[in-house]
This record gives sequence, C-alpha cells and structure tokens, in this order.
Amino acid sequence: AQSVTQPDIHITVSEGASLELRCNYSYGATPYLFWYVQSPGQGLQLLLKYFSGDTLVQGIKGFEAEFKRSQSSFNLRKPSVHWSDAAEYFCAVDQGGNTGKLIFGQGTTLQVKP
Amino acid sequence: NAGVMQNPRHLVRRRGQEARLRCSPMKGHSHVYWYRQLPEEGLKFMVYLQKENIIDESGMPKERFSAEFPKEGPSILRIQQVVRGDSAAYFCASSPVPGTDTQYFGPGTRLTVL
Repeated sequence: AQSVTQPDIHITVSEGASLELRCNYSYGATPYLFWYVQSPGQGLQLLLKYFSGDTLVQGIKGFEAEFKRSQSSFNLRKPSVHWSDAAEYFCAVDQGGNTGKLIFGQGTTLQVKP
Repeated sequence: NAGVMQNPRHLVRRRGQEARLRCSPMKGHSHVYWYRQLPEEGLKFMVYLQKENIIDESGMPKERFSAEFPKEGPSILRIQQVVRGDSAAYFCASSPVPGTDTQYFGPGTRLTVL
C-alpha cells in the first residue's frame, strides 16, 4: 500500500537560515507528489507539485522540492526562512497516479526563531 | 472566482446529536473530495463524489457517516449520533475534472463533540 512518511514532527530554525523538510514515499510507479502548508486554524495551500519531467520543482513563497526516485524522497527546501513560514507542512502522494485521492504524511511543524 | 467554501467553520455538538458539514465547490468544479484530520495527524481521505454520484467511499467509516453531492447545492457530509472521537477538522477539496493536479482545498470545518 502507498504511504508517506515525514520523519520530523517538529523542526525549529532561525530566521534567515536554510530549511529542508524530509518526505519519503512508498509507491510502485512514478508518483504524483505534493507539498502543502497549513497555517494555524487555516486550510491547506498548495506549495508545489511534481508529476513528471524536471526533478527539481519550484513552488510559491520561494520553496522548491527535489524528486529523487532512487531514495523515494521528495524533500522540501527553502534557502532563507522567514518568520511567516512558521506553519505545518504536509507531504502527500496521489493514491494511484492522478486519482484525486491523496495520502498525506503526518506533517512537520516548523517553528522559526527570531 | 470564489474558492472552495465550507460552513460552518466551527461546529459544536453534544454526543448523540447530528452534524452536517457543507462544502460549496469552486465554480465549474463538479468533483468533491472529503478528508478528515484528527488531532496531531495528517489528513485522511474519506469520500469522492461527483454530482449525484458517490464514486469512492473507501475511507468512510461504515456506520453513522454519509455524504451526498446533489445536482443543486453544496456537498453535505453528515455524521449521525456523533461521538467524541468524531472531533476533528473536516476538509473538502474540489476539482473541475478527476485528479489531484487541479484540486483546491477549502478552509475546513472544525467539529468539537462535547
């Protein structure tokens, strides 16, 4: 069965520092992969997505993610974190190509120190 | 174009009561997906509907939960005889065609069962 693992439940970084959030997936074929951000009490906003092609994907708010098939990973990165980036981040994979049914990881809560 | 709308945003029910959660998809979207987010967890797929049809309800609890998406009006997720374990955030997403690549999430309804 497909699954998504986000190994880090909480991460704290200083403002201006670089960020990497880890995501590992289990899926047989080429997956459809997503990163979402959820601010407290809010819904989910799509940061970026990967379907095929270039394995380095650019998203909104200065985020990027790299698909590595050999490592079954899709890690999210940002070179310089802003205080407003503090939120919960979810990695997700479509259950079967592009079915519309997403499987989410447990989420990583990002705290930003001034 | 208004986004996906959900109401109410917050709902409080006592054990044994019924909860009705509404989701109005984006204009032109005829596919609706419901997800549940339990405290400290990621989102879990519940059900996928098109207008007047349930396409996939593999994530719905077997009892007390039902969903509909009538020809006119919003999609409704109904929970009968609520229990404390139903306390969660319920999100819906909509898309114009089947698939995750065009899916947009609503702000969610936070259900609290006393």
